[in-house]
Amino acid sequence: SQWGEENLQALSIQEGEDVTMNCSYKTYTTVVHWYRQDSGRGPALIILIRSNEREKRSGRLRATLDTSSQSSSLSITAAQCEDTAVYFCASGNYKYVFGAGTRLKVIA
Amino acid sequence: DAGVTQTPRHEVAEKGQTIILKCEPVSGHNDLFWYRQTKIQGLELLSYFRSKSLMEDGGAFKDRFKAEMLNSSFSTLKIQPTEPKDSAVYLCASSPGQNNNQAPLFGEGTRLSVL
Repeated sequence: SQWGEENLQALSIQEGEDVTMNCSYKTYTTVVHWYRQDSGRGPALIILIRSNEREKRSGRLRATLDTSSQSSSLSITAAQCEDTAVYFCASGNYKYVFGAGTRLKVIA
Repeated sequence: DAGVTQTPRHEVAEKGQTIILKCEPVSGHNDLFWYRQTKIQGLELLSYFRSKSLMEDGGAFKDRFKAEMLNSSFSTLKIQPTEPKDSAVYLCASSPGQNNNQAPLFGEGTRLSVL
């Protein structure tokens, strides 16, 4: 799992596999944002989930949010090589705190 | 629809120099953020503006880092004097600021190398 004080994690999977990345947050939030960052680019929002949603889907992405445990997850179904990137979670009400990120590498 | 624009994309400085990084937020956004990104520390907040007012100046980054927002469409981050440990990617982001469901949009960043 990732949070701000943790080091960047790395995952390597085969194309076609499913993968789940976890994130925990320390302060109250009403939304968790998930970003992906490609090499040499800025982070880009890929999915956000609100506190009144337990699950959110967007294509092959699925985000969950458990406010009782202050944790969120991002799953990618049938990962493809183009999913290779660093994935961050972010939470906060106006000043966003970012997790350390998970570096995902999908191998053909 | 223009996103967040950062210039330059790359900057190389000698130790002790002054450098200024620039950011143009998305038009109409009220909140602007400067972050520093390194492999070890990840994304660290340097400064946060709301409606051009500095709301947070990043604590540990106060002494040599100064962000300004003279108008709603332009912000600068000055590092003076630069040190090799400042080598990192500097990211600017903006958001509408109306509620926290509006995720910040990021620029492509400025990669700074201090020799």
